[in-house]
Amino acid sequence: EVQLVESGGGLVQPGGSLRLSCAASGFTFSSYAMHWVRQAPGKGLEYVSAISSNGGSTYYANSVKGRFTISRDNSKNTLYLQMGSLRAEDMAVYYCARDVGFLEWLLTYWGQGTLVTVSS
Amino acid sequence: EIVLTQSPGTLSLSPGERATLSCRASQSVSSSYLAWYQQKPGQAPRLLIYGASSRATGIPDRFSGSGSGTDFTLTISRLEPEDFAVYYCQQYGSSPAWTFGQGTKVEIK
Repeated sequence: EVQLVESGGGLVQPGGSLRLSCAASGFTFSSYAMHWVRQAPGKGLEYVSAISSNGGSTYYANSVKGRFTISRDNSKNTLYLQMGSLRAEDMAVYYCARDVGFLEWLLTYWGQGTLVTVSS
Repeated sequence: EIVLTQSPGTLSLSPGERATLSCRASQSVSSSYLAWYQQKPGQAPRLLIYGASSRATGIPDRFSGSGSGTDFTLTISRLEPEDFAVYYCQQYGSSPAWTFGQGTKVEIK
């Protein structure tokens, strides 16, 4: 069974940093691209970042470019999102999701999400 | 960037009724790479439909997708109580595929 479990969310002050993790199991992690998608309270889905299966290609939404870094450790079956210079508008539930393949942008499995609260 | 516009914003229906949700793209979606996701309160989204009309694993056949080019439709033939949720469309034909629609909420009338 495919499982994605996010962790690392919490309360952070504006301008602060946080690292999210997504532990994957039930599939060959190194064979799939992975994504981060967020959802602000009461709002819709917003793409944040994507990474290819070997980590060689990364993509960022303009809203987070230069502040967030996506990475993965295929030996640990774990996806990461390093978030810096956090703003109030970054407050959201952050979901990790598995691609259908190498980087096809179809999200077949989702974690339950981790909440990031940005507030002083 | 392709912009996806979903309508209506909210659909108020009774169990057993038919639901028709629309997703319109600002430009043609490559090879019908259009997906639909369902999200219930407090839960993660779940893939329902991909390739405009193919059901994902385990999705009941009361859910169907259709369309091509710029106009796509998700139909729920007979609403079950568990179908009341928010539905999002997403295009994934052009890389990077950043775009989701803004969502349609299907609520109990």
